[in-house]
Amino acid sequence: GAGVSQSPSNKVTEKGKDVELRCDPISGHTALYWYRQSLGQGLEFLIYFQGNSAPDKSGLPSDRFSAERTGGSVSTLTIQRTQQEDSAVYLCASSLGRTSGGYEQYFGPGTRLTVT
Amino acid sequence: GNSVTQMEGPVTLSEEAFLTINCTYTATGYPSLFWYVQYPGEGLQLLLKATKADDKGSNKGFEATYRKETTSFHLEKGSVQVSDSAVYFCALSLNTPLVFGKGTRLSVIA
Repeated sequence: GAGVSQSPSNKVTEKGKDVELRCDPISGHTALYWYRQSLGQGLEFLIYFQGNSAPDKSGLPSDRFSAERTGGSVSTLTIQRTQQEDSAVYLCASSLGRTSGGYEQYFGPGTRLTVT
Repeated sequence: GNSVTQMEGPVTLSEEAFLTINCTYTATGYPSLFWYVQYPGEGLQLLLKATKADDKGSNKGFEATYRKETTSFHLEKGSVQVSDSAVYFCALSLNTPLVFGKGTRLSVIA
C-alpha cells in the first residue's frame, strides 16, 4: 500500500522567504508527527497531531514555525521568514496508535530544505 | 527530561563480524524502546522494538533486549553483511513522540 509521502522532495529558498512543506500520511493513521534531521542536532521532534488537533507543539523551535492538519489527513508545516539555521531535512511520520504503546511510526522520505 | 544516548560512530566492521551498538536511556517512567535504521538514500524504517522490561525485539538477525535495571537497549547482530551498512538510531517513546539518539553510522566492508 501507499506509504507516507512528502512534497517537495527538495526546496531551495532565499533567507527571509516563507516555505510550506506538505505531508500525506498513510490512510487511516490518526497520529501524525513532524521531525527535523540536521547534522548538528540529529533527529528532533517538532509537533504531533492526533486527528486535527496538536496536543504537543513543544518541539517547534520558534514562532516562525507553525503546522496544521485538515480532515484528519494532510498536514502542512510552514516556516516563515526562513533563516539559514532552518536548513535541514524535515521528516513526517504517521502511526495507527500511540507510539508509547508500541505502535510503529512510518516515516516519509523527507523534504530537504536549503536556505541560501 | 527524556533522552537517549548511543555510542558514537562511525563503526567499521568486516563482513561476518559481531556487532554491538550500545544504547542507554533516561526516562521519567517506563518507555517503549525502538531501533530505527536509515539505509543510504532511503527513509527511516523501524528495525525492532520492545514495549516492556525483559522483552526482546528481533528482526533481520538483529536483536535488542529491554533492560530496565541498566536502562539499556543494546543492538546486536551475530554476523553482519555489507547490506547492513546504514545509520542506526535508538529511540524511546513515553508520551508518543519519539526521542532519538544521535545515530550510529555502520560501515561493513567485504
